[in-house]
Amino acid sequence: GEKVEQHESTLSVREGDSAVINCTYTDTASSYFPWYKQEAGKSLHFVIDIRSNVDRKQSQRLTVLLDKKAKRFSLHITATQPEDSAIYFCAASGTGGYKVVFGSGTRLLVSP
Amino acid sequence: EAAVTQSPRNKVAVTGGKVTLSCNQTNNHNNMYWYRQDTGHGLRLIHYSYGAGSTEKGDIPDGYKASRPSQENFSLILELATPSQTSVYFCASGGRDINERLFFGHGTKLSVL
Repeated sequence: GEKVEQHESTLSVREGDSAVINCTYTDTASSYFPWYKQEAGKSLHFVIDIRSNVDRKQSQRLTVLLDKKAKRFSLHITATQPEDSAIYFCAASGTGGYKVVFGSGTRLLVSP
Repeated sequence: EAAVTQSPRNKVAVTGGKVTLSCNQTNNHNNMYWYRQDTGHGLRLIHYSYGAGSTEKGDIPDGYKASRPSQENFSLILELATPSQTSVYFCASGGRDINERLFFGHGTKLSVL
């Protein structure tokens, strides 16, 4: 089955810098790649997604890039702010059935 | 905003006891999921359902049962709780199309002593 690997377990940046979180997947049939954010002690909420028919999507300070050939996708956060500090999860789905497979999460720390 | 409500928020159980975690969604979503979150493992899928009356095994179903009696409700049942099931459990719902965002509940912190 699909496996999603999230490469950075923790990432520390200074406020105002950019942050990049990378994920790889194994199933070439995956077609939907969402990202979720979990702030300390809270639940997960959706932040951005990308579908396999495009290779880039931007929403304000967030950009997702998808490289289908390498089976890799990444979340780019520009001009980071302390409130960006959280755990970010990447995920993949679309192989048929109803399963969404998550990566192990990246803890992003933005220091002033 | 779509709403997923879990109960209880916190639960302490004894080894060998029965635990039921409940989830209710008002999104009229077909798909519902139970995940557990453990440090180093991220979110792992336990059971899921694609509609009332259906339950399917996820990636780590051993020791868990699920029940979907209605579109709105999806329960996770630990018949004989063990300390290894100490974790945070999240319920989520999603539309008929798997390729849409999920909505998560606030989570249930379960401690099995």
